[in-house]
Amino acid sequence: SQTIHQWPATLVQPVGSPLSLECTVEGTSNPNLYWYRQAAGRGLQLLFYSVGIGQISSEVPQNLSASRPQDRQFILSSKKLLLSDSGFYLCAWSVQEEKLFFGSGTQLSVL
Amino acid sequence: GENVEQHPSTLSVQEGDSAVIKCTYSDSASNYFPWYKQELGKRPQLIIDIRSNVGEKKDQRIAVTLNKTAKHFSLHITETQPEDSAVYFCAASIGDYKLSFGAGTTVTVRA
Repeated sequence: SQTIHQWPATLVQPVGSPLSLECTVEGTSNPNLYWYRQAAGRGLQLLFYSVGIGQISSEVPQNLSASRPQDRQFILSSKKLLLSDSGFYLCAWSVQEEKLFFGSGTQLSVL
Repeated sequence: GENVEQHPSTLSVQEGDSAVIKCTYSDSASNYFPWYKQELGKRPQLIIDIRSNVGEKKDQRIAVTLNKTAKHFSLHITETQPEDSAVYFCAASIGDYKLSFGAGTTVTVRA
């Protein structure tokens, strides 16, 4: 069966520091991969999605970036975090149909 | 792009009563409509979905209806139980592997 791993679960970072969140999927090949952000009490905002290695589409302009160095690995990065980057970050995957399966999330607090 | 609106933002029901959440979408090309349930601090999980060639789908106490002409779809939860308390998100897709989510409905089931 397919599983998705996302880490870390929580992260507290100072403003201006770098960020790297990692997500890996097991049990499937060539998945579509996604990064979503959820601000406190808000909906799900799509940040990036990828349909293949090295193929990244950005939905919202920001100081975040994403990379897909391997088929089942998706990384969210920032060179300098802003206060507004705080939120709950969710990695997700899908294959063929649009059914999304989410990772357990990373609660990021930028102070 | 697709715009999904969800109402109400909060819903409080007595245990055993029914809960109804409604969503409207803007793009008539949308053909896939999932619903996700997110418990506090957890990942969103798919609970039911429907495609545009179906008007209604039921799974035990939950059901989804779709009105393509009016471009709206609804989630119905019958005989609500305390474990139904969560945030519910609707979403829509035009088949490009991207889901547009509603802002969410916080459902509270009163014992």
